[in-house]
Amino acid sequence: QVQLVQSGAEVKKSGASVKVSCKASGYTFTSNYMHWVRQAPGQGLEWMGIISPNGLSTSFAQKFQGRVTVTRDTSTSAVYMELSSLRSEDTAVYYCANSGGWYGPFDYWGQGTLVTVSS
Amino acid sequence: DIQMTQSPSSLSASVGDRVTITCRASQSISNSLNWYQQKPEKAPVLLIYAASTLQSGVPSRFSGSGSGTDFTLTISSLQPEDFATYYCQQSSSTPYTFGQGTKLEIK
Repeated sequence: QVQLVQSGAEVKKSGASVKVSCKASGYTFTSNYMHWVRQAPGQGLEWMGIISPNGLSTSFAQKFQGRVTVTRDTSTSAVYMELSSLRSEDTAVYYCANSGGWYGPFDYWGQGTLVTVSS
Repeated sequence: DIQMTQSPSSLSASVGDRVTITCRASQSISNSLNWYQQKPEKAPVLLIYAASTLQSGVPSRFSGSGSGTDFTLTISSLQPEDFATYYCQQSSSTPYTFGQGTKLEIK
């Protein structure tokens, strides 16, 4: 079955960077798109960005442009999201989510990674 | 960006009730509308995609309808496991925006 397994919780200082991984199994990794979605404590879902199957195309929400990098490693079936210049407002659970197409629904989700930013 | 507005923000209902949640887009998104269910401390789960197509494994008491700017999610007969937060999301154009969520609580 399809599984997306994310790396563990992180605690970072303001101004630092964090890199979250998402390892896929149970499907053809090179055929699917991956999104990153975050959820601040007690808040709703916020889409951050997408990476194409070959890693050559990405798109990010404007508020994250310049601060977020998403890469994928075909050899390990993993996708990575790095967020830099962290501030307290970045404290959230970060999810990876799979879609079958650029415009597809998010049919499989990782378990989430809590990133806590402290001053 | 396309704004997604859900109503109501919260809803109290009883087991067996029929419930409808509404989602409105700030511009036409055709049928590029998806619905997710999220339980506390869990990742969201896809219920319905393309406005009205039930995701595999989702009970048939869930249904979706609408196109253009107005959409609805209906649960025909609430079960105890349905008490959760529901989100709509547009996948018409990036950034893919979500509604603010509707928290469905037990009356």
